[in-house]
Amino acid sequence: QSVLTQPPSVSGAPGQRVSISCTGSSSNIGAGYDVHWYQHLPGTAPKLLIYGNSNRPSGVPDRFSGSKSGTSASLAITGLQAEDEADYYCQSYDSSLSGSVFGGGTKLTVL
Amino acid sequence: EVQLVESGGGLVQPGGSLRLSCAASGFTFSSYSMNWVRQAPGKGLEWVSYISSSGGTIYYADSVKGRFTISRDNAKNSLYLQMNSLRDEDTAVYYCARVRSSSWYHDSWGQGTLVTVSS
Repeated sequence: QSVLTQPPSVSGAPGQRVSISCTGSSSNIGAGYDVHWYQHLPGTAPKLLIYGNSNRPSGVPDRFSGSKSGTSASLAITGLQAEDEADYYCQSYDSSLSGSVFGGGTKLTVL
Repeated sequence: EVQLVESGGGLVQPGGSLRLSCAASGFTFSSYSMNWVRQAPGKGLEWVSYISSSGGTIYYADSVKGRFTISRDNAKNSLYLQMNSLRDEDTAVYYCARVRSSSWYHDSWGQGTLVTVSS
């Protein structure tokens, strides 16, 4: 079981908005550690999508946004496109494990 | 351009050993902490090990503690993972990733190398 909890799958039609949740605990997200999000396509390197809860690296479209509150965080994708179909992972730091922790991943299907 | 290239994966029998390498280029390797992260077939990403920029601070996931050893050679811009006493459950694609220590995120990843543990 992953330390951070994500829904296994979400789906949406092109142009719609979807949201992916990420729930942690008092030793990671709840302790104030930042949440980051990655997009992963099979056979490729994971790509940083959001860092520091809500910051986008250069080159990431503003259709992607992140937020954090308490022990949870979420990734929102607006104006869904076919190319957004991928696996999405949240990640934080856990003080009790002294290392990075990931969510189990959420598969986004664009209908 | 930041580049991370893993190598050393392959097929190994249970109980065997393997050494992974990650060659870094396009940035000042000695200034960055690094992680190994793996993905087992059909599973999510799992953090494996961390090493600070100088190599003075090292952490391991409980699942590999006592069996895996992370190291780096800043003169050769290289990161390593020595894997001993390998188990079936260590089968995975292993990625090296650059860590931004200020916030513990991975801003660059390699393409990964596949390790298969099977008899």
